Amino acid sequence: GAVVSQHPSWVICKSGTSVKIECRSLDFQATTMFWYRQFPKQSLMLMATSNEGSKATYEQGVEKDKFLINHASLTLSTLTVTSAHPEDSSFYICSASSTRSTDTQYFGPGTRLTVL
Amino acid sequence: AQSVAQPEDQVNVAEGNPLTVKCTYSVSGNPYLFWYVQYPNRGLQFLLKYITGDNLVKGSYGFEAEFNKSQTSFHLKKPSALVSDSALYFCAVRDSYNDYKLSFGAGTTVTVRA
Repeated sequence: GAVVSQHPSWVICKSGTSVKIECRSLDFQATTMFWYRQFPKQSLMLMATSNEGSKATYEQGVEKDKFLINHASLTLSTLTVTSAHPEDSSFYICSASSTRSTDTQYFGPGTRLTVL
Repeated sequence: AQSVAQPEDQVNVAEGNPLTVKCTYSVSGNPYLFWYVQYPNRGLQFLLKYITGDNLVKGSYGFEAEFNKSQTSFHLKKPSALVSDSALYFCAVRDSYNDYKLSFGAGTTVTVRA
């Protein structure tokens, strides 16, 4: 149980284009979903928190117009990197906490974004 | 404020030997503590957590961790390490005053040699 998927697992795009990453909780309903960014050999940096049906809460320093988050249902959240640039290249990981057990976050497998 | 420290960047052990990965934390309220493992180019896998109750917590793949309030520590242990345990391990904490936000340690790379 508590499986979270992400799609795509990797993506390469040209500078200036937008990329959408999906995060799904496969076997549970997620009250809250989280988006993290991880640089090579570094820890996770929380970008934003999203609750179903409401606006995402962004961490300080994260541009909300650049990283658009939509949490349309209890099993799906999307992160759209708009007008991507090479410095946006990173490993993006989502996590979700269950409506039944909000203590624990379960993580997706991550999406490797490379912007050329 | 909440924070986590993993004092060791790397831990190297021989297969079959005990494995310990250290973690200390700082919170204002009561700590909710977690251990996750990450394999290359993968997301984080949940290993175990401490919320309340017994100080010794048992988790997945034979791992356990001991909550020590006086030392503000939550070290991860495995009695007999396997080569397949080689990975990056993260300790995380959430303050009971905080609804959801996890703070992660910098991570410890574990290498188990055959």
